[in-house]
Amino acid sequence: KQEVTQIPAALSVPEGENLVLNCSFTDSAIYNLQWFRQDPGKGLTSLLLIQSSQREQTSGRLNASLDKSSGRSTLYIAASQPGDSATYLCAVTYGGATNKLIFGTGTLLAVQP
Amino acid sequence: GAVVSQHPSRVICKSGTSVKIECRSLDFQATTMFWYRQFPKQSLMLMATSNEGSKATYEQGVEKDKFLINHASLTLSTLTVTSAHPEDSSFYICSARDRGAKNIQYFGAGTRLSVL
Repeated sequence: KQEVTQIPAALSVPEGENLVLNCSFTDSAIYNLQWFRQDPGKGLTSLLLIQSSQREQTSGRLNASLDKSSGRSTLYIAASQPGDSATYLCAVTYGGATNKLIFGTGTLLAVQP
Repeated sequence: GAVVSQHPSRVICKSGTSVKIECRSLDFQATTMFWYRQFPKQSLMLMATSNEGSKATYEQGVEKDKFLINHASLTLSTLTVTSAHPEDSSFYICSARDRGAKNIQYFGAGTRLSVL
C-alpha cells in the first residue's frame, strides 16, 4: 500500500528558529512530490514541487529536498515567522504523471512571537 | 499562476437535502479534476477522479450514488452530495490538472458543508 507519513504531527517553535518538517513515503517510484500549506478552514497553497529527477527546490526561506532511494523529503524553513503558522502537507504523485496525489498526514506548525 | 474557483465556500443545509458544489478552472482547460474530502484535523482523502466527457472514477469506499460527479466541460466539474446527512459534514476541496503545465494540480479554496 502506498502511504505518505509526516513527522512530527505538531510542532511549536519560537519566532526566528530554523525548522525541518519530515515526509516519508513507502514506494519510491514517485513522479513528483509537492509541499503545500493549509491555513485553518482554507484550501491549499502550493509551496514547492520537486520532480523525481531533482534533489531539491528552493523558494525564499523554504527549501525542500528529496531522497527517493530512502523514501524521504524534508521541508526546511529558515528564520520562522508567526505568519508561517499553518498545517504543512506533503503529497506524492506515483507512477505516471496522470496519477492521483496521495497526501501525507500533515504537520501543524505554530510559530510563537 | 493558474486559478481554480470553487463555489460555494460554505453551505449549511438540512438533513435530506442535496447540495451541489462547483469547481471551475478559470484560465486553463482541465480534462481531469479531482474531488477530496477532509475531516477535522485529518489530511485530504481523494474521493473521485473526474474526467471530462466520461464517468468519474471513485475511490474505494466512496458511494457513487451518494456523491454524483459531472464533468461536462473542460472547465467545470460539479459534485452533488445527494440526501445529505450530518455524517457528510466535511470540508470538500477540488483540484484541476493543467496538462499544459506538467500536469500540476491547482486547488480550489474548498467548501465547508454543514448538515444539520
